[in-house]
Amino acid sequence: GQQLNQSPQSMFIQEGEDVSMNCTSSSIFNTWLWYKQDPGEGPVLLIALYKAGELTSNGRLTAQFGITRKDSFLNISASIPSDVGIYFCAGSPEPGDGGSQGNLIFGKGTKLSVKP
Amino acid sequence: DTGVSQNPRHKITKRGQNVTFRCDPISEHNRLYWYRQTLGQGPEFLTYFQNEAQLEKSRLLSDRFSAERPKGSFSTLEIQRTEQGDSAMYLCASSPQGLAGGPNEQFFGPGTRLTVL
Repeated sequence: GQQLNQSPQSMFIQEGEDVSMNCTSSSIFNTWLWYKQDPGEGPVLLIALYKAGELTSNGRLTAQFGITRKDSFLNISASIPSDVGIYFCAGSPEPGDGGSQGNLIFGKGTKLSVKP
Repeated sequence: DTGVSQNPRHKITKRGQNVTFRCDPISEHNRLYWYRQTLGQGPEFLTYFQNEAQLEKSRLLSDRFSAERPKGSFSTLEIQRTEQGDSAMYLCASSPQGLAGGPNEQFFGPGTRLTVL
């Protein structure tokens, strides 16, 4: 079935540093979403992307929908301790590639740890 | 609080017992989704409703699993004859219908953590 490759799997950074993570798929996606999940809680939506090439910001977060429609990246600028958590990319494939009006496919997550 | 709510937050049961979880979506959202998440993995899609109609079911949803949304508002997910492999976090999400009928932002609840002994 469809899989998303998310990297890196984990990262340690110093407070104040910028962070970058990305997600790739083997087929075209028509939606990319980025979520953050804290332990024991549900994922919280950070950014949604719907058009190839789209670049969207939410505070210190910036995400882009790749031109090929097979990838997306998320950048966090000037990281702070509360950025700790697991970041997931999620996407909706084209219909016929396992996509539908409901099915989001998730990556395995990038675990972010910040040294204070 | 107008977010997605789920009950219970935690459930411990013995193998072979039946369990039922409830999800209350954001009130104006007509789409409701169930996902399962195991440790170290992202959520995996189980099923989805538009209003009261169950429109899609994943192959992960075995015959022991049944989901309902009888009035197009809250939903229940029942697992019969639970197995240890059912232990996971069960997440519910809701979304409004997209302008073109397509996918839209999905907002998740806090989840129900199931432990099967």
